[in-house]
Amino acid sequence: GDSVTQMEGPVTLSEEAFLTINCTYTATGYPSLFWYVQYPGEGLQLLLKATKADDKGSNKGFEATYRKETTSFHLEKGSVQVSDSAVYFCALSGRTGANNLFFGTGTRLTVIP
Amino acid sequence: GAVVSQHPSRVICKSGTSVKIECRSLDFQATTMFWYRQFPKQSLMLMATSNEGSKATYEQGVEKDKFLINHASLTLSTLTVTSAHPEDSSFYICSAPKAGLAERNEQFFGPGTRLTVL
Repeated sequence: GDSVTQMEGPVTLSEEAFLTINCTYTATGYPSLFWYVQYPGEGLQLLLKATKADDKGSNKGFEATYRKETTSFHLEKGSVQVSDSAVYFCALSGRTGANNLFFGTGTRLTVIP
Repeated sequence: GAVVSQHPSRVICKSGTSVKIECRSLDFQATTMFWYRQFPKQSLMLMATSNEGSKATYEQGVEKDKFLINHASLTLSTLTVTSAHPEDSSFYICSAPKAGLAERNEQFFGPGTRLTVL
């Protein structure tokens, strides 16, 4: 079945450090891939997405490229800020046309000044 | 962006009572809504798919009689935890996809409801 494997945390970085959070997936068909972010005390928010192979999603300095050959969708940011401290979830949509999402376990990022 | 609200945001109840959680899409219609459960430091687990005008679809292992779902209108779905017990304590989150080709497969999440059963 469809699933997402996400790098376990927690991750602690200093401000302006480079961030990578790994995400690989298993799916039939051609899923869409997402990164969601959950800030403390808030609900999940879509950070970025990619709907087909080689697409790059980007938002707020974060990027992730849909790699079909390695079934990966790693999240990167060149210079993190304290305000990026949150839990990040990798997710994929179900079968083509379906709307249900499968989530990874989440990675907690803490950025220290 | 689309807005999904949940009510209440936090509820504490005694064991054996029932609790109703509402999920509303505020500025769009949603024929489908999803209910998730999030355990501390774990991912969201899909519990069920709420379908307007028909029965909900439950994931394997989720008790239908325990977690009653009613999709009363195109903007409202409710989850009722019946005869709640301490092990039902969790963070319950709903989401709704917004129709439209550009937004297909993009879901908008409610802020969640934290249920504590004493």
